[in-house]
Amino acid sequence: SQQGEEDPQALSIQEGENATMNCSYKTSINNLQWYRQNSGRGLVHLILIRSNEREKHSGRLRVTLDTSKKSSSLLITASRAADTASYFCATEYSSASKIIFGSGTRLSIRP
Amino acid sequence: NAGVTQTPKFQVLKTGQSMTLQCAQDMNHNSMYWYRQDPGMGLRLIYYSASEGTTDKGEVPNGYNVSRLNKREFSLRLESAAPSQTSVYFCASSEAPWSNQPQHFGDGTRLSIL
Repeated sequence: SQQGEEDPQALSIQEGENATMNCSYKTSINNLQWYRQNSGRGLVHLILIRSNEREKHSGRLRVTLDTSKKSSSLLITASRAADTASYFCATEYSSASKIIFGSGTRLSIRP
Repeated sequence: NAGVTQTPKFQVLKTGQSMTLQCAQDMNHNSMYWYRQDPGMGLRLIYYSASEGTTDKGEVPNGYNVSRLNKREFSLRLESAAPSQTSVYFCASSEAPWSNQPQHFGDGTRLSIL
């Protein structure tokens, strides 16, 4: 099925370092969203970037979108222990009224 | 701020039993969704309700039914539970369907079918 795919599947970094995760998708999109999921909890919306935008910032988060490469990246700067979670990209495709979630990146922050 | 509330949080069923998962939102959102999350996979859409009075199938609707009881509440029913339906179920809501709207999620119902 059409689906955003995150890379890497898992990432472990030292507290204070930056974390970068990527999402690739297959066809034209209206927008791409990033969500965070803490263990045992629901997804929390982080940021939405529309197809005509190239970069958005929210606090320590920076999202880029390259529609020519059909890819997006999420950068978390100055990571903290509380950033330990799974991160999902979700793509809203132009051709269908639905949002497709990727399988996620598991981020672990080492103290 | 309750947001999206799901009940129950945990449930164990035997094959063939039926049950209804409840979801309520207090954000006056028009649209509501049911997803399932399986290990190593992203969320898959089961059913959604774009607005009160309407429901539509998602990616994996077989074995499920839904009811949009009113603007606040959207329930998911398993008529005859099967082990393949063991999963974590999430309800979500948004102001409008799709259309560049973020979704707000509940904390899920962990369902095991024996």
